[in-house]
Amino acid sequence: GNSVTQMEGPVTLSEEAFLTINCTYTATGYPSLFWYVQYPGEGLQLLLKATKADDKGSNKGFEATYRKETTSFHLEKGSVQVSDSAVYFCALSESIGGGATNKLIFGTGTLLAVQP
Amino acid sequence: ETGVTQTPRHLVMGMTNKKSLKCEQHLGHNAMYWYKQSAKKPLELMFVYNFKEQTENNSVPSRFSPECPNSSHLFLHLHTLQPEDSALYLCASSQSWTSTDTQYFGPGTRLTVL
Repeated sequence: GNSVTQMEGPVTLSEEAFLTINCTYTATGYPSLFWYVQYPGEGLQLLLKATKADDKGSNKGFEATYRKETTSFHLEKGSVQVSDSAVYFCALSESIGGGATNKLIFGTGTLLAVQP
Repeated sequence: ETGVTQTPRHLVMGMTNKKSLKCEQHLGHNAMYWYKQSAKKPLELMFVYNFKEQTENNSVPSRFSPECPNSSHLFLHLHTLQPEDSALYLCASSQSWTSTDTQYFGPGTRLTVL
């Protein structure tokens, strides 16, 4: 079945450092890919998404490019801030029930801790 | 700010109790979802509703019973739960059921089963 693998955390960085969180996927067909972020005590918020190969999603300085050839969707940010400290989830969307609905398959999440 | 609200935010219950979780979306969406987030495990889809009809039950035990009276409201009725059911229960909604649609999540209900 489809699956998502993302790098183990925690990732600890100093403020203004460059961030990469790796995400690879296994899927049949052409899923949409997402990054969600979860701040402490809160639900998941969509960070960015890409719906087809070579698409680049971007938001709040974060970027990720849908790479079909390497089945990857790595999250990057050029300069992290303390306020970026959170858990980041990579996910893919697959159709189920003969296309009657879709479900998100999540990676295990990567905790990012940014120190001043 | 989220267009998906969940109540209560925290719930502690005994194994013999009956309780319900409520989710409401204010986004005009047609699909709603229940997910379970346990410690050290990926988020797991539990149920999906499209236009009030259940389209997915991901092999969830019968002690969890969903209800969707309309496209804006989703409930999860709980009875005779086990301690291992303690988790964060997240509700989500999306405009439709296509794979390109974004799912918007509520803040979750933190459930503790004693």
